[in-house]
Amino acid sequence: GENVEQHPSTLSVQEGDSAVIKCTYSDSASNYFPWYKQELGKRPQLIIDIRSNVGEKKDQRIAVTLNKTAKHFSLHITETQPEDSAVYFCAASNRDDKIIFGKGTRLHILP
Amino acid sequence: EPEVTQTPSHQVTQMGQEVILRCVPISNHLYFYWYRQILGQKVEFLVSFYNNEISEKSEIFDDQFSVERPDGSNFTLKIRSTKLEDSAMYFCASRLGQGKTGANVLTFGAGSRLTVL
Repeated sequence: GENVEQHPSTLSVQEGDSAVIKCTYSDSASNYFPWYKQELGKRPQLIIDIRSNVGEKKDQRIAVTLNKTAKHFSLHITETQPEDSAVYFCAASNRDDKIIFGKGTRLHILP
Repeated sequence: EPEVTQTPSHQVTQMGQEVILRCVPISNHLYFYWYRQILGQKVEFLVSFYNNEISEKSEIFDDQFSVERPDGSNFTLKIRSTKLEDSAMYFCASRLGQGKTGANVLTFGAGSRLTVL
């Protein structure tokens, strides 16, 4: 089955700098890659997603890139702000009935 | 905006007791899920449900677990005889499915925190 690896587990960046989180997946049939943000004590919420027919997608300060050949995808947050502090999870799916999550990255935005 | 609702928000139970967690998925969604998150850890897939049957389950979802859609709106997770290691946040989620725009977006409920003593 699908296995998603995510790193780093913890990331601290100065406010205003960029943050990059990387994930790899094992199943070459996976075709959907969402990213979720989870604030302390709250539910995961989708922030951006990408399908395998696209190499990059951007939404304001957030972008995701996908390299199908290497089976890895990354989340880029630019001009980080205090409210970006949270745990971020990548995930992968190749079918409608299963989405597998990575272990999460705790992002700290330093003042 | 449509929401996935879960009850109870927190349940405390004794080891060996049965627990039922309830969820109301978004009304026009076709795929339903239960995920588990032990404190500070990753979101783990338990089971998916489509067309009134389990479509996929993980190794965590053993004989002690079952799911049911007893009517047109509720989706329940039952743990038959709880163990200490079942203590976790249980998230219900749903998605539209079937290739429509946004069909793959998984919407989570607020979670049910289960504490087994």
